[in-house]
Amino acid sequence: SQTIHQWPATLVQPVGSPLSLECTVEGTSNPNLYWYRQAAGRGLQLLFYSVGIGQISSEVPQNLSASRPQDRQFILSSKKLLLSDSGFYLCAWSVQGSGETQYFGPGTRLLVL
Amino acid sequence: GNSVTQMEGPVTLSEEAFLTINCTYTATGYPSLFWYVQYPGEGLQLLLKATKADDKGSNKGFEATYRKETTSFHLEKGSVQVSDSAVYFCALRIKAAGNKLTFGGGTRVLVKP
Repeated sequence: SQTIHQWPATLVQPVGSPLSLECTVEGTSNPNLYWYRQAAGRGLQLLFYSVGIGQISSEVPQNLSASRPQDRQFILSSKKLLLSDSGFYLCAWSVQGSGETQYFGPGTRLLVL
Repeated sequence: GNSVTQMEGPVTLSEEAFLTINCTYTATGYPSLFWYVQYPGEGLQLLLKATKADDKGSNKGFEATYRKETTSFHLEKGSVQVSDSAVYFCALRIKAAGNKLTFGGGTRVLVKP
């Protein structure tokens, strides 16, 4: 069966520090991968999605970047965090092509102080 | 563009009460519709989905019917339990736009014993 992992689960970082959040998927190959952010009391915003290694699409201009160095690994990064980067970050995957359902990881709660 | 509008919460209910969460959408194509649930401290889980008009999705006592004429996908449950306390997200997907989901803002439901 397929599983999706995210780490760390929680993170407290000072403003201006770098960020690296990791997401890995097991039990499937060539998935679509997604990063979402859920700000406090708000809905989900799609940040990035990837249909293959090295292929990243950005949905909104921001302070963050994403990379996909391996088929089942998706990394969210920042060189200098802002206060507004605080939130709950969710990684998700779906089957390539006709797959409709997205499967979400447990999330990383980030607090920037 | 594509968008999803949900009723704002929080919705507070007593156990065994009837729950309705309204969801309407606008879409440039023919969407698939989803309800995701987020339990406290966790990521999102797919609750149910419908892929064409008049389809009814159901799971765990929840139901939602795809109404193309009213562009709606309201979520209902006849008798809620304390364990149903969560945030519920309505979402749509346009196949021509890849597997990207567009989410509503989420509705927090609190069921009291």
